[in-house]
Parts: sequence; structure tokens; C-alpha cells
Amino acid sequence: GQQVMQIPQYQHVQEGEDFTTYCNSSTTLSNIQWYKQRPGGHPVFLIQLVKSGEVKKQKRLTFQFGEAKKNSSLHITATQTTDVGTYFCAGSAGGTSYGKLTFGQGTILTVHP
Amino acid sequence: GAVVSQHPSRVICKSGTSVKIECRSLDFQATTMFWYRQFPKQSLMLMATSNEGSKATYEQGVEKDKFLINHASLTLSTLTVTSAHPEDSSFYICSASFVAYEQYFGPGTRLTVT
Repeated sequence: GQQVMQIPQYQHVQEGEDFTTYCNSSTTLSNIQWYKQRPGGHPVFLIQLVKSGEVKKQKRLTFQFGEAKKNSSLHITATQTTDVGTYFCAGSAGGTSYGKLTFGQGTILTVHP
Repeated sequence: GAVVSQHPSRVICKSGTSVKIECRSLDFQATTMFWYRQFPKQSLMLMATSNEGSKATYEQGVEKDKFLINHASLTLSTLTVTSAHPEDSSFYICSASFVAYEQYFGPGTRLTVT
């Protein structure tokens, strides 16, 4: 079945440093979504990428979808303590599986002030 | 934004008993609801996909007779863990979808089976 791998598992940064998490799928995706889960909370939708090579920005967050639609990345510039949490990518295969998401393992981000 | 609630938020039950968890979309009608299980510091594992008025589709390895899902309306889905055992202790999260892709997650239910 479809597998989504995400690295790194943990990332500790000093406030102001940049952060990147990477996501790789074993199969070509229809779309990929990114979620953030704060400690003790539930996942919150950040963004969806659909097109090959797509790049989207949300303030300090930059999301990329690879040309082959099998990998993606999330980059945060100049991290802040409010960025703390677990970032998950989630891929959708589309077709009859449309809407069904396979989550990566998540990257736990810690930001030291 | 779209809000999804879950009840209860925490439940402790004895081994062998059944527990029902409710998932409600409060301000929208959900075409599809999803049930996930999450272990501490781990990812979300999809258990089943449920559409209103039809049988849930379970993921491989998930026992449909143990995890009963009912999606009675466009705003309510329930997950019943039958004959719960300590290994069923986990964080159960539902999500609801009404647009093509975005899922809105509930706050989760922490189940502890003693």
C-alpha cells in the first residue's frame, strides 16, 4: 500500500533559525496536504498542493510539491516559539481513494527561545 | 471555520466493556468522516472512512466487528469500541470533510482501558 515517509522525526532549533521537513511518498500522489498539531491538540489543516512543482507561501512558511508529485517539503523561515508542534504531511492517491489521506510520521519541532 | 466536536474527550473503561465515541460536524454537513488512531508521539493511522447512510470502509488490519462505525446523518458519526482491552487504549481522532480535500479534525478522545 501507499507509504509516506517524513524526515526528520525531531528537530530542535534556536528561535530565529530556519526549519525544513521533508516528505516522500512511495507512489505518485494526487495531492499532498500539510497539517500542524500543537502539543495536546489536534491536527489543523495548513495547505494543499496539487500541481507538479507547485510552490505556495504562507507568511514564513513555504511549501513545495515535487515535479514527480512524490515528494514535498515545508520550510519555515526564522522560527518563532509559536511554531512549536508536530508537522505532518498527508498524501492522497486520488481516484477511488479520493479524500483518503496517508499521513507521514510527522516532524516534532522544538524552538528554544 | 468548520468545527468538529468529539465526545467524550476522555474516557476510562474496564476491560471487556464497550465505549462509544461521537463525532459531530457543528456548522457544516460532512459528506465523509474519517476515524484515526494516534499513539503517543506517532502519526495518525486511518482506521476507516465513513459516508452517511452507507457502510464504513475499513483499512487493512482494522477489525470491523471490534470498531463499529455508524454514520447516521451528515453531521454525526459514531465509533464504538466493543469489548475493549488495554491494547485498545489510544487517542482516537475523527475528521470530517465537505469540500473536495480539506479535512477538519475533532479534538480527539483519549481512551484508557484498565
